[in-house]
Amino acid sequence: SQTIHQWPATLVQPVGSPLSLECTVEGTSNPNLYWYRQAAGRGLQLLFYSVGIGQISSEVPQNLSASRPQDRQFILSSKKLLLSDSGFYLCAWREGYNSPLHFGNGTRLTVT
Amino acid sequence: KQEVTQIPAALSVPEGENLVLNCSFTDSAIYNLQWFRQDPGKGLTSLLLIQSSQREQTSGRLNASLDKSSGRSTLYIAASQPGDSATYLCAVLNDYKLSFGAGTTVTVRA
Repeated sequence: SQTIHQWPATLVQPVGSPLSLECTVEGTSNPNLYWYRQAAGRGLQLLFYSVGIGQISSEVPQNLSASRPQDRQFILSSKKLLLSDSGFYLCAWREGYNSPLHFGNGTRLTVT
Repeated sequence: KQEVTQIPAALSVPEGENLVLNCSFTDSAIYNLQWFRQDPGKGLTSLLLIQSSQREQTSGRLNASLDKSSGRSTLYIAASQPGDSATYLCAVLNDYKLSFGAGTTVTVRA
């Protein structure tokens, strides 16, 4: 069966520090991959999605970036964190266009 | 741009009562609609996926209906239990992107 792993679960980082969040999916190939952010009391905001290795679409033109170095690996990065980057970051995947979307357990990021 | 609305934002019911959660969307050209459950501090768990060609989908005590032409979906949870307490979100798929509602937070009182 397919599983999604996302780490770390929690992270506290100072303003201006770099960020790297990793997500991997097991048990499938060429999944569609997504990064979402959920701010306190707000809905989910799509940050990036990828329909294939090396292909990234950005929805949020901020100081975040994403990469897909391997088929089932999705990385969210920042060179310099801002206070406004605090939130709950969720990785998600699905097999195909009309398949259910499945989420990881999320990373709680606090920028201090 | 797709707008997804969930009303009410919060709901409190006694155990055993049936739950009715509403989701509306502005662009009816969707491919599918998915309902999720989120427990505090956790990721989202998929409950039901309804394709645009379907009118409803059922899983156990859960039943979701879809009226694409009117831009509405309803999630019914029969005979609610305290364990059903969570936030329920709906999401609609246009292109490769899902647009989410803000969710309905449900409390089932024992």
